[in-house]
Amino acid sequence: AQKVTQAQTEISVVEKEDVTLDCVYETRDTTYYLFWYKQPPSGELVFLIRRNSFDEQNEISGRYSWNFQKSTSSFNFTITASQVVDSAVYFCALSEAREWDMRFGAGTRLTVKP
Amino acid sequence: DGGITQSPKYLFRKEGQNVTLSCEQNLNHDAMYWYRQDPGQGLRLIYYSQIVNDFQKGDIAEGYSVSREKKESFPLTVTSAQKNPTAFYLCASSSPSFSAGERPTSNEQFFGPGTRLTVL
Repeated sequence: AQKVTQAQTEISVVEKEDVTLDCVYETRDTTYYLFWYKQPPSGELVFLIRRNSFDEQNEISGRYSWNFQKSTSSFNFTITASQVVDSAVYFCALSEAREWDMRFGAGTRLTVKP
Repeated sequence: DGGITQSPKYLFRKEGQNVTLSCEQNLNHDAMYWYRQDPGQGLRLIYYSQIVNDFQKGDIAEGYSVSREKKESFPLTVTSAQKNPTAFYLCASSSPSFSAGERPTSNEQFFGPGTRLTVL
């Protein structure tokens, strides 16, 4: 069975600090997809990134970067120079190629203080 | 603009009443999904639909029902059989791509703004 663990329930940082959100997953499939979503206070989930299991190349998008390591089954998300607008709940999710559904972690609430 | 709309944003229900949550998308996506979110928890899948007139139960389908009569619409009914319906409900859609087989090769989902249901 697929499973996603986000061990950090809440993180609080001061603006301009770097912060890493951890995500560990479990799956028996060799082909799967990993996702990160952001949920601001408004409630709507905003898609951030999708990563295929056969592509371990790390990705950087502005202040956001993702570190995918199959050896440790992790897909961590780093925000560099955090801003108050980054305050939200962040979800990591996993989808196996044979399944239609997506498994979400419990989420990490990030608070960035000015 | 293309997107997913959910209505209403807030909904109050008396115990014993059925209530229907609306979800509409104009993204031309084939698949649609309903999730439930409780405080401090991730999203749990209620129902999903791959095509019109077809839908499948998710992990927590008991006490819920859905229909998919049109590609753009996937309403969710919370019935009186649902023991603890107070939650935040999110609708999503996706357009999976397919390889040579029947299963999707990706399942990137886009979400609506959600409906917050409170049972009084």
